[in-house]
Amino acid sequence: NAGVMQNPRHLVRRRGQEARLRCSPMKGHSHVYWYRQLPEEGLKFMVYLQKENIIDESGMPKERFSAEFPKEGPSILRIQQVVRGDSAAYFCASSPPPGLAETQYFGPGTRLLVL
Amino acid sequence: AQTVTQSQPEMSVQEAETVTLSCTYDTSENNYYLFWYKQPPSRQMILVIRQEAYKQQNATENRFSVNFQKAAKSFSLKISDSQLGDTAMYFCAFMNGPGMSSSYKLIFGSGTRLLVRP
Repeated sequence: NAGVMQNPRHLVRRRGQEARLRCSPMKGHSHVYWYRQLPEEGLKFMVYLQKENIIDESGMPKERFSAEFPKEGPSILRIQQVVRGDSAAYFCASSPPPGLAETQYFGPGTRLLVL
Repeated sequence: AQTVTQSQPEMSVQEAETVTLSCTYDTSENNYYLFWYKQPPSRQMILVIRQEAYKQQNATENRFSVNFQKAAKSFSLKISDSQLGDTAMYFCAFMNGPGMSSSYKLIFGSGTRLLVRP
């Protein structure tokens, strides 16, 4: 049973470019969470999605950031017009529907570096 | 808003000894979950142990156990017989239980860097 998959593992972008981060949840998991970890800090919640539905985006910046989890395919975190402050590790986690099991399992993360 | 505090930025322990990592949290909710995650140098987030707030019995997983003090809002992690592979960042995390306003997001502390010395 494959774990949570994220790609790319490392991404380098120049200021002003777009970054697309992908997350495939564990088999049987229908809920996806995105977290950001700045250097030497803990993880901060960004957004929580179900298939075709954003449940909670309270941690996501209002501008330049968007997330989706389509009916088919991986969840995508999109950052437009990246700036140096976007450099961080972005982690995706997945879980079964809450109420069945609340534990979130994490992917290996995508390290974004903005030059 | 819920908060999680880890007051020990760094800890060090001799191999085979026991170490305890501290975590306190703040919430007005009665139903919630607490977790310890480990982040080794690979930076993968690995679940160590979880505790349901409604359970009085402290969770244990092999060499890892917790001391859950609900009234004091304290959730410490004890690592027995420390091994070199335990060297990592350890994060305490809180999640609200089921409810109208719950989004099941994890709220993390700032982490404790644990070094196991040979």
